[in-house]
Amino acid sequence: GDSVTQMEGPVTLSEEAFLTINCTYTATGYPSLFWYVQYPGEGLQLLLKATKADDKGSNKGFEATYRKETTSFHLEKGSVQVSDSAVYFCALSGTYSGGGADGLTFGKGTHLIIQP
Amino acid sequence: AAGVIQSPRHLIKEKRETATLKCYPIPRHDTVYWYQQGPGQDPQFLISFYEKMQSDKGSIPDRFSAQQFSDYHSELNMSSLELGDSALYFCASSLGRGAAREAFFGQGTRLTVV
Repeated sequence: GDSVTQMEGPVTLSEEAFLTINCTYTATGYPSLFWYVQYPGEGLQLLLKATKADDKGSNKGFEATYRKETTSFHLEKGSVQVSDSAVYFCALSGTYSGGGADGLTFGKGTHLIIQP
Repeated sequence: AAGVIQSPRHLIKEKRETATLKCYPIPRHDTVYWYQQGPGQDPQFLISFYEKMQSDKGSIPDRFSAQQFSDYHSELNMSSLELGDSALYFCASSLGRGAAREAFFGQGTRLTVV
């Protein structure tokens, strides 16, 4: 079935550092790829998405490129802020296995901690 | 802007009891999704509805059922509760079906089974 693998956390960085959170996937079809962010006590918020190979999603300084050849969708940000501290989930959709056509398949999540 | 509303926010039940979780989607959204997130786990897709009909089914236990009503709100009914059902339950909604659509999540209902 479909699966998403993210780097284990927590990831601790200093403010203004460069961020990379790795995400790779396994899927039988041609999924859409997403990054969601979850702040403490809150629901999931869509951060960015890409629906086909070589698409780049970007939002709030974060970006990720859909790499079909390496089945990856790594999240990057050039200069992180304390307010970026949260749990980040990589997810995929659009295939007919795993969660089904409607449901998202999530990775385990990466807890990001940004220190002042 | 209106968001997805879930109620209650917190719920404590005893083993073998039943629970009903409610979800009110963003106005005009016609698709609702339910997810279960265990402690320290990733969200698991349970079930979805489009235009009041079941659209897709994930890892929903047979003890759980759900429906979407004429006003598009949805309810997740959970019976014979087990300790392992303790989790955060998220509802999400979108305009149109299919997971490539942007889904907006509610803040979740935290269910504790004791």
